[in-house]
Amino acid sequence: GQQLNQSPQSMFIQEGEDVSMNCTSSSIFNTWLWYKQDPGEGPVLLIALYKAGELTSNGRLTAQFGITRKDSFLNISASIPSDVGIYFCAGPDNYGQNFVFGPGTRLSVLP
Amino acid sequence: DTEVTQTPKHLVMGMTNKKSLKCEQHMGHRAMYWYKQKAKKPPELMFVYSYEKLSINESVPSRFSPECPNSSLLNLHLHALQPEDSALYLCASSQDGGRQFFGPGTRLTVL
Repeated sequence: GQQLNQSPQSMFIQEGEDVSMNCTSSSIFNTWLWYKQDPGEGPVLLIALYKAGELTSNGRLTAQFGITRKDSFLNISASIPSDVGIYFCAGPDNYGQNFVFGPGTRLSVLP
Repeated sequence: DTEVTQTPKHLVMGMTNKKSLKCEQHMGHRAMYWYKQKAKKPPELMFVYSYEKLSINESVPSRFSPECPNSSLLNLHLHALQPEDSALYLCASSQDGGRQFFGPGTRLTVL
């Protein structure tokens, strides 16, 4: 089946720094979704992308749907302590049967 | 209202017990999902209901039994579980198979 890869696996940053993380696939996705998950909670949808090249913002978060349809990135500007968590990229597979998650990027913000 | 609710929040059960997890959404979504998530891993799809009919069963053991009484409710019946079934169980719903909205999860511990 289709798979998603995320990089980096984890990152430690200083409060106030900008963050960038990537999601890639060997096959085309038609929808890219970015979720954040806090420990013991369900994933929360941050941004949804539907068109190649689409650039969408949600507050300090910006995400882009890659032109090749095989990648996406998420940027967080001016990080704050509550940005700590695991960020997952995800999307429905091209058969519309399965929902694929990347392995996640774990973000830690140092004060 | 983009809320998916799950009960209970926490559940501890023995290997001979029978218990049920419940999920509810009032967004009019046509699809509902059960996921299992182990620590530091992404959610793994277990079941998909579309228009109240089971459409995907990802080779889940029969000790997990899903039920969709109506378009707003989703249950997961548990019987004779094993300690390795301990995990966070997430429910999600979607209108179009694209964006999924997750509940807060049920933390299950099997003794």
